[in-house]
Amino acid sequence: DTGVSQDPRHKITKRGQNVTFRCDPISEHNRLYWYRQTLGQGPEFLTYFQNEAQLEKSRLLSDRFSAERPKGSFSTLEIQRTEQGDSAMYLCASSPYVQGVHEQYFGPGTRLTVT
Amino acid sequence: GQQLNQSPQSMFIQEGEDVSMNCTSSSIFNTWLWYKQDPGEGPVLLIALYKAGELTSNGRLTAQFGITRKDSFLNISASIPSDVGIYFCAGQLTRLTFGEGTQLTVNP
Repeated sequence: DTGVSQDPRHKITKRGQNVTFRCDPISEHNRLYWYRQTLGQGPEFLTYFQNEAQLEKSRLLSDRFSAERPKGSFSTLEIQRTEQGDSAMYLCASSPYVQGVHEQYFGPGTRLTVT
Repeated sequence: GQQLNQSPQSMFIQEGEDVSMNCTSSSIFNTWLWYKQDPGEGPVLLIALYKAGELTSNGRLTAQFGITRKDSFLNISASIPSDVGIYFCAGQLTRLTFGEGTQLTVNP
């Protein structure tokens, strides 16, 4: 399977704990995006990378959130001191950066539950 | 956060019927995309539109990029039970801005 993969698929944690999620994009894609989706809503943008550079961050990305893409391949999203409001599906997407081609392909997501 | 206005919110149809849903925005986008999402899974790309006025088909799906660049619609013809799911429109500059989704139920 050569699609976007995410790990873990599900994470249950207690409030105050730190969690880290991983995303492996489609191998030729140099752009990688993180979104958050709550029940009954469409995904909301968090941040994106072009290669290893983080080019944009949403205001949704509080200082408890940090994302990295150290070698321009896989990415990690860490949430420190989790709160119940962080419970959501965290989605990763990747796209090629080719003129005229901007399609974003999503992974299966990581479902976070903070108790 | 900002979201597109997508309608209808839900549709209940009989197998074989055609379906139409649309999205409008106060902002201009360079690209419109339509996704389908099943429970517990990530969105799956159905159609991408790049030019104002563009009409694109993918099997039984047809989508159009509005000439004002602020709207798009998706039609599904001759619906089948596996069309069940949530359909999202998304407008793109760099990030994607999503609509709130249309929940489609198809009765056999």
